[in-house]
Amino acid sequence: AQSVAQPEDQVNVAEGNPLTVKCTYSVSGNPYLFWYVQYPNRGLQFLLKYITGDNLVKGSYGFEAEFNKSQTSFHLKKPSALVSDSALYFCAVRFLRNTGFQKLVFGTGTRLLVSP
Amino acid sequence: EAQVTQNPRYLITVTGKKLTVTCSQNMNHEYMSWYRQDPGLGLRQIYYSMNVEVTDKGDVPEGYKVSRKEKRNFPLILESPSPNQTSLYFCASSLYGTGQTNTGELFFGEGSRLTVL
Repeated sequence: AQSVAQPEDQVNVAEGNPLTVKCTYSVSGNPYLFWYVQYPNRGLQFLLKYITGDNLVKGSYGFEAEFNKSQTSFHLKKPSALVSDSALYFCAVRFLRNTGFQKLVFGTGTRLLVSP
Repeated sequence: EAQVTQNPRYLITVTGKKLTVTCSQNMNHEYMSWYRQDPGLGLRQIYYSMNVEVTDKGDVPEGYKVSRKEKRNFPLILESPSPNQTSLYFCASSLYGTGQTNTGELFFGEGSRLTVL
């Protein structure tokens, strides 16, 4: 079955420090992987995606993610955290139904808290 | 401005009173979908629509109905709401829903927080 796991409910980091939000996936075939961010009282916003190619993907707001096929992981990273990065982060994997239509399966989310 | 608009943003209702949450997108997207977000469960898909008059069930469709009579609109209908439908609901859309040409980026509305007493 296609799934994603975000093992941490919350990640705490001090401003200026590097941050990592973890995601592992299970999917048959080549994975299409995504990160979305949700700020308080807002909808989800697309951050970045991995389709193919370079294992290090760069996205919005200085975020990047590293695809690791052997570990089936797609961790979100940022070299220097900002207080404004505090939000809820969702990892997602796309697969195609038998009908040929896409489905995104989301993880349970990780709350990132960046302290001043 | 490209956007997905949901209404109402907040609603408190009582068990059994039919309600509709509207969703409209101005990007001419073919694919639209409804999700509910619950603590510890992430986002779960309720229904999706590949195009006008084409809809299908997601993972948690029980108690919900949808329709897609126009490309831009995809309302979510709760015929007889129950307390277990208290949740945060999101509508989302993407340009296409099919095949490898669509890399899956979804555009989300701001959410509708529903409380059923």
